[in-house]
Amino acid sequence: GDSVTQMEGPVTLSEEACLTINCTYTATGYPSLFWYVQYPGEGLQLLLKATKADDKGSNKGFEATYRKETTSFHLEKGSVQVSDSAVYFCALRAAGGTSYGKLTFGQGTILTVHP
Amino acid sequence: EPEVTQTPSHQVTQMGQEVILRCVPISNHLYFYWYRQILGQKVEFLVSFYNNEISEKSEIFDDQFSVERPDGSNFTLKIRSTKLEDSAMYFCASTPRLAGRAEQFFGPGTRLTVL
Repeated sequence: GDSVTQMEGPVTLSEEACLTINCTYTATGYPSLFWYVQYPGEGLQLLLKATKADDKGSNKGFEATYRKETTSFHLEKGSVQVSDSAVYFCALRAAGGTSYGKLTFGQGTILTVHP
Repeated sequence: EPEVTQTPSHQVTQMGQEVILRCVPISNHLYFYWYRQILGQKVEFLVSFYNNEISEKSEIFDDQFSVERPDGSNFTLKIRSTKLEDSAMYFCASTPRLAGRAEQFFGPGTRLTVL
């Protein structure tokens, strides 16, 4: 079945450092790929998405590129802020077929940014 | 901005008791979901619901679980006889459609603690 693997956390960075959180997936066809963020005490919020190969999703300075050849969707940010401290989830939605849109999530990566 | 709401935010119950978790999806959405996240683990799909019936369910969603949309606005998850291992954060989500770049909007979650 479909699966998503994220890099182990937690990740601790200083403000203005570069961030990369690795995400790889296993799925048939061309799934849609997502990054969700969960701030303390809140629900999951969509951060960015990509629906086809070589698509780049971007939002709030975060970027991720859908790489079919490496089945990856790594999350990057050039300069993190304290306010980026949260849990980040990579997820996929299977392509068409009998899927009714369920999301398959990675295990989540806790990011802490210090001033 | 419309949002998915969930009540209660925290539910404590005794093993063997029935619980009902409630969700109000965004009003023009058609597809509804429940996910759960056991502490420290990944977010897992439980069930999807469309056109007043279950469209897909996971292995976790056994006979102890049921979902209902009783009045066109609420979407409930019932656990008939809770077990210790049902302790988790339960998230409701909704989306207006499946195609293209449609995203799922998540509620803030209900933390269920089974004693």
